[in-house]
Amino acid sequence: DGGITQSPKYLFRKEGQNVTLSCEQNLNHDAMYWYRQDPGQGLRLIYYSQIVNDFQKGDIAEGYSVSREKKESFPLTVTSAQKNPTAFYLCASSIPTGTAYGGYTFGSGTRLTVV
Amino acid sequence: AQSVTQLDSQVPVFEEAPVELRCNYSSSVSVYLFWYVQYPNQGLQLLLKYLSGSTLVKGINGFEAEFNKSQTSFHLRKPSVHISDTAEYFCAVSESHLPQGGKLIFGQGTELSVKP
Repeated sequence: DGGITQSPKYLFRKEGQNVTLSCEQNLNHDAMYWYRQDPGQGLRLIYYSQIVNDFQKGDIAEGYSVSREKKESFPLTVTSAQKNPTAFYLCASSIPTGTAYGGYTFGSGTRLTVV
Repeated sequence: AQSVTQLDSQVPVFEEAPVELRCNYSSSVSVYLFWYVQYPNQGLQLLLKYLSGSTLVKGINGFEAEFNKSQTSFHLRKPSVHISDTAEYFCAVSESHLPQGGKLIFGQGTELSVKP
């Protein structure tokens, strides 16, 4: 089955450490996105990429970095510069608009906790 | 700029009762509209979408939504809810003329709590 795989599902990080969250899709989607979710704050866009080797900052990019070397993969690194990284992180992908457009397909998320 | 407002942060309802989750959007251009559901510790799953055509859209799990352009609304309804419908629901909008719909703009979410 096609879909988006996020790993790991739970991740613990010590303060001052960088950590990378994995996002892989086999849907042949061009665009990929990273969102952060905190209780009561909805989804906030961190970074997005509409094509390989290109990505743009979202609304809360500070303290995060991404790469898009392959169409299937869009890893997110949470750096030590991120002041409050504990959150639920969601990866998503999408196809170009048209009658088949269905918005985004989401992964199952990674819950990151700083200990 | 686009925006989405979900008018209720929490909606408690008894099992088998009808429910309506309200969503209003703001945009100066044509839009695509979506409702997603999120169960605890999971990703978002598409419930239904409006791209064009009929303003009444039917989705999975017995949900439906009606696009009202004059009121810029896209309210989600279900005639009879089940305990299993307890989840968080997100309304989202994107601009239809942009490549890949542009970015989805999400509302803050509505927690639906179905009580026995």
